[in-house]
Amino acid sequence: AQTVTQSQPEMSVQEAETVTLSCTYDTSESNYYLFWYKQPPSRQMILVIRQEAYKQQNATENRFSVNFQKAAKSFSLKISDSQLGDTAMYFCAFVLRGEYGNKLVFGAGTILRVKS
Amino acid sequence: DAMVIQNPRYQVTQFGKPVTLSCSQTLNHNVMYWYQQKSSQAPKLLFHYYDKDFNNEADTPDNFQSRRPNTSFCFLDIRSPGLGDAAMYLCATSRPTWGRGGGGTDTQYFGPGTRLTVL
Repeated sequence: AQTVTQSQPEMSVQEAETVTLSCTYDTSESNYYLFWYKQPPSRQMILVIRQEAYKQQNATENRFSVNFQKAAKSFSLKISDSQLGDTAMYFCAFVLRGEYGNKLVFGAGTILRVKS
Repeated sequence: DAMVIQNPRYQVTQFGKPVTLSCSQTLNHNVMYWYQQKSSQAPKLLFHYYDKDFNNEADTPDNFQSRRPNTSFCFLDIRSPGLGDAAMYLCATSRPTWGRGGGGTDTQYFGPGTRLTVL
């Protein structure tokens, strides 16, 4: 089964602090891509960061970085220096290879609230 | 800026009255997706077009149809909306760098969504 699990339905963090959102996944594929998407209250889904499974180096994008543990099938997102604008629903996802095109498999999401 | 545009942003319809949602893109992506998202849930894929090829998800109700007249535009038609169809509808696009079904990079870019209300 191809699944993504986000075990934290909701999290809170103080402004300027660091928070880590967890994600585990299960796939039989050997090469795939993993994503974190952010969906603020305005509801537009925005790509935060992407990780290529064949790369051992963890992806980083400014204040966002991942801890990718391929053997453990773990893909956590670390947000440093949290800002009020980081308040959003965060979805972990990976690309599922399909015969007629590739599909995103989403986790259930984690609501992150940044407090001032 | 290249982007994915959805119109309208808010749509109100009556129970059983057909409605069409629109998506356009300037990214020149060959794959376009339609998702349904209900409150505090992950998006649920309804169907997608790979070029001109339509691919329906097995559990997508027949009430939902789609058209893609050209590369840039894709429409979602709901033939007889029910109260349970009230949701946010998201359009996304991508351009897989591998061949059809080949996995690889396939970042999907989302539009702002259309919030559908059914009265």
